[in-house]
Amino acid sequence: QQQVKQSPQSLIVQKGGISIINCAYENTAFDYFPWYQQFPGKGPALLIAIRPDVSEKKEGRFTISFNKSAKQFSLHIMDSQPGDSATYFCAASRMDSSYKLIFGSGTRLLVRP
Amino acid sequence: KAGVTQTPRYLIKTRGQQVTLSCSPISGHRSVSWYQQTPGQGLQFLFEYFSETQRNKGNFPGRFSGRQFSNSRSEMNVSTLELGDSALYLCASRGGAVNTEAFFGQGTRLTVV
Repeated sequence: QQQVKQSPQSLIVQKGGISIINCAYENTAFDYFPWYQQFPGKGPALLIAIRPDVSEKKEGRFTISFNKSAKQFSLHIMDSQPGDSATYFCAASRMDSSYKLIFGSGTRLLVRP
Repeated sequence: KAGVTQTPRYLIKTRGQQVTLSCSPISGHRSVSWYQQTPGQGLQFLFEYFSETQRNKGNFPGRFSGRQFSNSRSEMNVSTLELGDSALYLCASRGGAVNTEAFFGQGTRLTVV
């Protein structure tokens, strides 16, 4: 029940295209869903996060879509750029004293020029 | 504001030895979590400290331990190192007990030979 399943494992997109990464969770007690971006040799950087009381959140070119009934959420990167090439992780947690991030397995995104 | 600082960045140890990793959270942050990142297992939660108390612990053997000091700085110790402990160890800092985002440091790359 603690798993977060992420797909695809890798993704190649042309510059200007839309990158879509999907995640599914099992534990209905999760109430916080962040996405992290990680470049080689760096720690994960928080990109955007959503709570289950909203179905969509947009920050610049990054949008999270959230489907509570399906227990799924996804990251959309609009107008993908070569600088977006990185590994993306979805995560889930409870936002209380039992807080701990459960991460998906990661998606390696390559944006071709 | 300075980010999360982890030292050292790289470490090579021999099987059977022990190691101590250090994490300085963002100024004012009271929560420090530790994660292990490996190619095979991905990002896994080790433990979280808040105000010098361990609040949560992941599924790791007792060889993995930690502590937090009154200035919120945290240390993680791994005793009797095994080859499988080779990983990137990441520290994440949060401002409060609940409802706050986690920011990661660059990690300590531990290699056990």
